[in-house]
Amino acid sequence: QVLLVESGGGVVQSGGSLRLSCEGSGFTFSNYGIHWVRQAPGKGLEWVAVISHDGDTPYYAASVKGRFTISRDNSKNTVLLQMNSLRPEDKAVYYCAKAKYYFHSSGKPGAYFDYWGQGTLVTVSS
Amino acid sequence: QPVVTQEPSLSVSPGGTVTLTCGLSSGSVSTTSFPSWYLQPPGQAPRTLIYDTNIRSSGVPDRFSGSMLGDKAALTITGAQAEDESNYYCVLYMGAGIWVFGGGTKLTVL
Repeated sequence: QVLLVESGGGVVQSGGSLRLSCEGSGFTFSNYGIHWVRQAPGKGLEWVAVISHDGDTPYYAASVKGRFTISRDNSKNTVLLQMNSLRPEDKAVYYCAKAKYYFHSSGKPGAYFDYWGQGTLVTVSS
Repeated sequence: QPVVTQEPSLSVSPGGTVTLTCGLSSGSVSTTSFPSWYLQPPGQAPRTLIYDTNIRSSGVPDRFSGSMLGDKAALTITGAQAEDESNYYCVLYMGAGIWVFGGGTKLTVL
């Protein structure tokens, strides 16, 4: 079955760095984009970043652009999220989610998040 | 960046029907925003309910349905059950690779 496992969370000081990892299994990893989505304590979901199946096309939320970098190593079935210049407001559970694409009636490729990992907690202390 | 709006909280009686909506602070939601819906019980990871506006994900009970309601996407639960009490999120594609989640709806079944 499809499994996504996040790791790398922990406690870091404000201004510090952390690298999260998302390992996928149970599907052909190199065929699918992967998203990162976070959830601050007691808050809703916030989309963070996505990387295409081949790693050529990353996109970022405005709140993390320039500080976070998403990358992937398809030989290891892994997507990484390098987080620099961390702020207290980056404290959250970080989930990775598999992107599923489909044919949309408009002719554009539709997409959604079809499988999610269990998340890894990042705490930024001030 | 546009804000995706959801009702912060709703309640429904067991066996009743409730509709959650997903809108935009400015403008209308269209099907080319690829609206999808996710359920997240407290302390758990999200899981997929609906994608492409109205397609149920595998294994999702047919009491959950998606639609467009005017200028918003909508999730309707018909015959709500106690286990449907949860947080529900929609997400919309904004173009240029950017996705935005709504603030979520806390659904109470009582």
